[in-house]
Amino acid sequence: DGGITQSPKYLFRKEGQNVTLSCEQNLNHDAMYWYRQDPGQGLRLIYYSQIVNDFQKGDIAEGYSVSREKKESFPLTVTSAQKNPTAFYLCASRRAVGSHSSGNTIYFGEGSWLTVV
Amino acid sequence: RKEVEQDPGPFNVPEGATVAFNCTYSNSASQSFFWYRQDCRKEPKLLMSVYSSGNEDGRFTAQLNRASQYISLLIRDSKLSDSATYLCVAYNNNDMRFGAGTRLTVKP
Repeated sequence: DGGITQSPKYLFRKEGQNVTLSCEQNLNHDAMYWYRQDPGQGLRLIYYSQIVNDFQKGDIAEGYSVSREKKESFPLTVTSAQKNPTAFYLCASRRAVGSHSSGNTIYFGEGSWLTVV
Repeated sequence: RKEVEQDPGPFNVPEGATVAFNCTYSNSASQSFFWYRQDCRKEPKLLMSVYSSGNEDGRFTAQLNRASQYISLLIRDSKLSDSATYLCVAYNNNDMRFGAGTRLTVKP
């Protein structure tokens, strides 16, 4: 089945540790995104990538890093510089960069819950 | 001012009721609009796209008012299973902006 796979679903991080959240899609989508969602709040954009080997900061990129070495993969690293990383992280993808109609639809993975212990 | 604003609710309605949500957006260049449904502790899932002429999918109707820069979602004959948070999305030039969501609870 086509879709977006995030792993792990639950992750616990100690203070000062870096952790990497995996996101893989087999939808042949061009654009990929990472969002953060805190309880009772909306989605905030961390990073996004429109093509391989290129990515841009979103609204809350500080303390995070990404790579886009392959079209299918867009891993997110939560670094120790991120002071409040406990949140629900959502990876998403979209088919066509710059298109106007159905190619704008964004699809989400099931999310990863990160907790700092 | 947030780019996409929604009334957070919660909206508590009885089964069978008709309920409507509005969402306003600030970027007049926004090109496409969507409604997503998010269940508790789950990822958002596309409910419907919003077209200029308005569109209907079963009990759900979405409308766009570009002049006033808002979109709406109408749910008729509410079911218990409609209980969720509904997210409004405005898209412009590869930038997707999400509202914080409106929480709906349908009660027996």
